[in-house]
Amino acid sequence: QVQLVESGGGVVQPGRSLRLSCEASGFTFSRNSLHWVRQAPGKGLQWVAVISYDGSNKYYTDSVKGRFTISRDISKNTLFLQMDSLRVDDTAVYYCARGGRSWNTEFDYWGQGTLVTVSS
Amino acid sequence: SYALTQPPTVSVSPGRTASITCSGDNLEDKYVYWYQQKPGQSPVLVMSQDTKRPSGIPERFSGSNSGNTATLTISGTQPIDEADYYCQAWDSSTSVFGGGTKLTVL
Repeated sequence: QVQLVESGGGVVQPGRSLRLSCEASGFTFSRNSLHWVRQAPGKGLQWVAVISYDGSNKYYTDSVKGRFTISRDISKNTLFLQMDSLRVDDTAVYYCARGGRSWNTEFDYWGQGTLVTVSS
Repeated sequence: SYALTQPPTVSVSPGRTASITCSGDNLEDKYVYWYQQKPGQSPVLVMSQDTKRPSGIPERFSGSNSGNTATLTISGTQPIDEADYYCQAWDSSTSVFGGGTKLTVL
């Protein structure tokens, strides 16, 4: 069965960096796009970034462009989100989610999420 | 930037039909996806490409998309359907979620 397990969250000061990981299993990693979606405490869902199935396309929501980088390691079936210049409003639970072969489709499986708290 | 608008709350009596709307400019030109999220849990896809139910989703869930409005309909609503529901669509290379609708079954 498809499983996505996030890790790497924690408490970090504004301006610092953090790298999130998402280990995938139960499907062929290189056949699907992968996304990061976040949810601030008590708020709704916000899409953050996507990497296409072949890694050739990466897209980001405007508020993280130039600060966040999505990447993956196929040999380890792991998705990453490098978060630099963190801001207080980046505080959220970060979910990784599997997309379709096309990057602009649904998110059919989600991880359990990892909490990132940006605070001084 | 593109926006999707949902009512914050919808209430329904058990066994009745609940309709949750999602509005956006020319939304019928896009595919709309719906997610259910219960407290403390990760979202679950309940409707794909406007009208397609993923495997394991009960038949009481249905969807439509016409004009500027997409609708998730739950027929014979059960107490276990109480949750937050989010619509989602793509605008160019950006994915957008609606603000979410809290469905109360009482």
